[in-house]
Amino acid sequence: RKEVEQDPGPFNVPEGATVAFNCTYSNSASQSFFWYRQDCRKEPKLLMSVYSSGNEDGRFTAQLNRASQYISLLIRDSKLSDSATYLCSFYNFNKFYFGSGTKLNVKP
Amino acid sequence: NAGVTQTPKFRVLKTGQSMTLLCAQDMNHEYMYWYRQDPGMGLRLIHYSVGEGTTAKGEVPDGYNVSRLKKQNFLLGLESAAPSQTSVYFCASRWDINEQFFGPGTRLTVL
Repeated sequence: RKEVEQDPGPFNVPEGATVAFNCTYSNSASQSFFWYRQDCRKEPKLLMSVYSSGNEDGRFTAQLNRASQYISLLIRDSKLSDSATYLCSFYNFNKFYFGSGTKLNVKP
Repeated sequence: NAGVTQTPKFRVLKTGQSMTLLCAQDMNHEYMYWYRQDPGMGLRLIHYSVGEGTTAKGEVPDGYNVSRLKKQNFLLGLESAAPSQTSVYFCASRWDINEQFFGPGTRLTVL
C-alpha cells in the first residue's frame, strides 16, 4: 500500500466552482501535514499546512481527520489561476512523503 | 537571496555514465533533501541530510550517493546511470518543519 494516496483527477471545474480534494495516508504516526501546489514543469510550492483544528487561508480550507487518516483541501470560488496540480504531503521523523498529485483544471 | 538553486537544469546521459547534481541554498538551512519525480509517482525521497557532514537514505536510495561537505551544498551522484533514472530531480531545504523550499529541478534523461 502506498504511503500517501490521491485521486489523480483531472478535476475539470468552471470558474467560481467549489472543489475538494482528499488525500489518505497509511502511517498513523505521521506528525505534520501539508498541501503543495505545483505548476506545470515547475517546482512544488507550499500552499498551506494542515492543522488538527482545520485552517483557512482565503479561499482555501484544509482539514485533517486523524481517525480516518486523511486530509482534505477545499477551494472555493475557483479562479483560472488555480489550475495546477495539488500535492499532499506528510512529515514523519525528518522525512516527507508526497502523494502523486491531483490535477485541477479551472475553465472559463 | 537566490533560495535553492540546482545545477544543471537539463542533462542527457548515456547508460553507464556518471554525473553529479549540485544543490545549493543560501538560507542557512540545516535540512536538505533530494527527490525524484516521475509521472504518476509523485515525489519520492532519495536521500536527505539533517546537517553538514550527515546523510541518510530515503525511500529510493539505490543507484545514488550523496555528500554534504558544506552546509549550503548537497550533492547527488549517479555512479553508473541507468534508463530507470530518467526523471526530474528536485532538491529542497528547510529550517523548520513547516516549509520546504524547492529548487527549480533538473531534468535528466538516460539513454
